[in-house]
Amino acid sequence: AQSVTQLGSHVSVSEGALVLLRCNYSSSVPPYLFWYVQYPNQGLQLLLKYTSAATLVKGINGFEAEFKKSETSFHLTKPSAHMSDAAEYFCAVREPNFGNEKLTFGTGTRLTIIP
Amino acid sequence: ETGVTQTPRHLVMGMTNKKSLKCEQHLGHNAMYWYKQSAKKPLELMFVYNFKEQTENNSVPSRFSPECPNSSHLFLHLHTLQPEDSALYLCASSPLGQGETSPLHFGNGTRLTVT
Repeated sequence: AQSVTQLGSHVSVSEGALVLLRCNYSSSVPPYLFWYVQYPNQGLQLLLKYTSAATLVKGINGFEAEFKKSETSFHLTKPSAHMSDAAEYFCAVREPNFGNEKLTFGTGTRLTIIP
Repeated sequence: ETGVTQTPRHLVMGMTNKKSLKCEQHLGHNAMYWYKQSAKKPLELMFVYNFKEQTENNSVPSRFSPECPNSSHLFLHLHTLQPEDSALYLCASSPLGQGETSPLHFGNGTRLTVT
């Protein structure tokens, strides 16, 4: 069965500092992986996805994530944090051949940016 | 504008009330989903509809009743809810036929409070 763990329910970084949000997955086969962002009072918006092509994936708003099979990780990074990055971030995993509905989300990481 | 519109944005109801949540998508997708988002818990998949047919009911209590009259509209009928049902209810859609790499597109949710 697939699962995803997000280490740290709250992360605070200074404006201009590196953002690192951690995601580890468990899957019986190489999975598809997604990062979503949720701003206050809004739904989830796709940041980026890994679908077994390049292991380093670039997304919107300057975010990127690297798939590391040996570490079963898909951490999200951004070189320089901006105030507008304050939001909640969700990692999600889907095992191939399980259909569209089998998308499993992590519990989320709330990112706070310190001016 | 997310392409997925949910109404109402906020709903307060008593435990004996009957109300409905509405979701409409303008993306030409054929799959629609209801998720429940509670504080400090992962997103919970409730129902999935593919081409108007329900394909997933994730052990949801019968006080939640979904309806999908066509591929663009999805409803969630609520009756005799409990206070623990208070949460953000998110609707999502996705295209079918593009495999497991297609992401979900979310609406902004309905914040439900049961008193």
